[in-house]
Order: sequence, then structure tokens, then C-alpha cells
Amino acid sequence: GQNIDQPTEMTATEGAIVQINCTYQTSGFNGLFWYQQHAGEAPTFLSYNVLDGLEEKGRFSSFLSRSKGYSYLLLKELQMKDSASYLCAVTDSNYQLIWGAGTKLIIKP
Amino acid sequence: DVKVTQSSRYLVKRTGEKVFLECVQDMDHENMFWYRQDPGLGLRLIYFSYDVKMKEKGDIPEGYSVSREKKERFSLILESASTNQTSMYLCASSAGTAETGELFFGEGSRLTVL
Repeated sequence: GQNIDQPTEMTATEGAIVQINCTYQTSGFNGLFWYQQHAGEAPTFLSYNVLDGLEEKGRFSSFLSRSKGYSYLLLKELQMKDSASYLCAVTDSNYQLIWGAGTKLIIKP
Repeated sequence: DVKVTQSSRYLVKRTGEKVFLECVQDMDHENMFWYRQDPGLGLRLIYFSYDVKMKEKGDIPEGYSVSREKKERFSLILESASTNQTSMYLCASSAGTAETGELFFGEGSRLTVL
């Protein structure tokens, strides 16, 4: 079957760096998305990776290794407003979007 | 500012009632989607539409139907609500397909079926 794995919950300290991992087993691969979802709010797009490597966007970076079926989202200089759930989603060979259950990130002062 | 608006943030319905969830987007997007979001599970696609009056089943269409009479509006219908349809329902739209393009989500409709 198709599967996306992310940690259920992570805790980090304000000002620090945190890495949220996502591993996937899908029938083929056509891209990987990261979305952010604050409690009670809509998910919002963070990044899209289709080639291997690191893509940086301000304090957030996303990395992809297709050979390992692995991605991570790196958040630097953490702020309290980064407390949210982070959703990983993969497009398979049939262009179906498969979603992980999300990682709840808690930022402590 | 682009926007996807869902008509109701919170609803409480009784088993057997008909439920309408409305979604409107102001971005002139071709594609619209309905997902449900449950704790511990990834988003699951119920139905999607790539054009007016067109609809396609997603992964879990049973017990649901949809309507897209106008480009900006995509409605989800529960013909006879059941307790296992208690969930958060998210509407989304995109300029490309969901699989290759950024999705814009509404804030969700939390439905409780008693």
C-alpha cells in the first residue's frame, strides 16, 4: 500500500532549529508538498519539491531525496507563531496526492 | 487576497438529516476539491471537479455527492448523515491539478452528527 510517515508530535524551543521528517512509500513519485496548518485554520502551502536537494525559502527549507523516499522540512530561528501542524503530501505515479497525518509542532519559550 | 470561503464553520446535525456544505472561491480556479480531515489520518479526498458540471470520485465518495453549477462554487452533500461522517471537511481549489499545483484551502467546516 501507499504510506506517508511523519512523527506525530515534536517540541522545540523558541529561537532554535527543528527538522520535521517525512518518509514515503508510494507507487512512483511526481513531487512532494509541505503545508502548514495552524489549529482551527486552513492548511497553507509551504513548499514543493520534485528534484533532489534543498530548497530554501526564508526561515524554512525543504529537502528531498527520491532514492531514499525521504524529505524533511527545516525551520530555523523558531518563533512562537510556528506552532502548527505540518503536513507532508506526495504525488504518486498516477498523479494521486497522498497525505501524511501531519506533525504537530509545539514551540516553547 | 485570495480566498476560499466555506459557508459554515460548525454544524451539528442528527442522523438521517441532509447536510449541505458550500464552498466558494474567488480566484477563478478551474479545480475544486473536498477533503475530510480526521485525527491521526491524512487528508482524504472525497470528490473533485475540474470544470463546471463535472465531478470525479475521490478515495472515499460513499455517502457523499457534490454539485458544481458555477465555476466559483462547489457544494458537498450528505444525503443522509451518519455518525461516522462526523469530521472536519476542507474545501480547496487550485489553478493546476491538486497533484501538481498549490492548493488553496478554506478554513473548514466541522460537522458533528448525533
